[in-house]
Amino acid sequence: AQSVTQLDSQVPVFEEAPVELRCNYSSSVSVYLFWYVQYPNQGLQLLLKYLSGSTLVKGINGFEAEFNKSQTSFHLRKPSVHISDTAEYFCAVRNISNFGNEKLTFGTGTRLTIIP
Amino acid sequence: GAVVSQHPSRVICKSGTSVKIECRSLDFQATTMFWYRQFPKKSLMLMATSNEGSKATYEQGVEKDKFLINHASLTLSTLTVTSAHPEDSSFYICSAGSPGGNTIYFGEGSWLTVV
Repeated sequence: AQSVTQLDSQVPVFEEAPVELRCNYSSSVSVYLFWYVQYPNQGLQLLLKYLSGSTLVKGINGFEAEFNKSQTSFHLRKPSVHISDTAEYFCAVRNISNFGNEKLTFGTGTRLTIIP
Repeated sequence: GAVVSQHPSRVICKSGTSVKIECRSLDFQATTMFWYRQFPKKSLMLMATSNEGSKATYEQGVEKDKFLINHASLTLSTLTVTSAHPEDSSFYICSAGSPGGNTIYFGEGSWLTVV
């Protein structure tokens, strides 16, 4: 069984300040890791993903995340946030597979609010 | 890139009626699609895995007879909420992964309001 923990349900940050959204996971097998963003009343958009290779992955909108296997973490970071980054952010994992038919396990989400 | 589309984006139906939500993979064939339900300010709850040409696999606690899933083609899965009740009002999201790929893409979601 897998689980994903996002300890921070809400994170308020001033505009242009850096932000880190935390994600820790638990799994008995190797996993792929994802961050998705959800804007109000919309579906989920992929921000970035870790599959293999470099532990630092860069995504869209200036976000990046670092996979730390020893700490089973995949924290999301952005050096300078913008008002448009206000959204819900979900961390997710899935089993490594050669097929696209493995389900995702989601964290509970972190609401990022940017303060002007 | 791969795109998954849902229709309708918003639907209002009367209590006791049925409503169908479609999920389409637009530029790839998806043997498997997933249906999630999201409550306000909550995370996504996997309802079922939709398998092309066979029965869907439902998660524990999800009523199979209430949430009918049909995956008749490699690009279309449908979720039908039967005998809808106000408590079925929610945001429903589908997703699909391209064969041989490692990323799952999500639809835009469908808001269901049962009145």
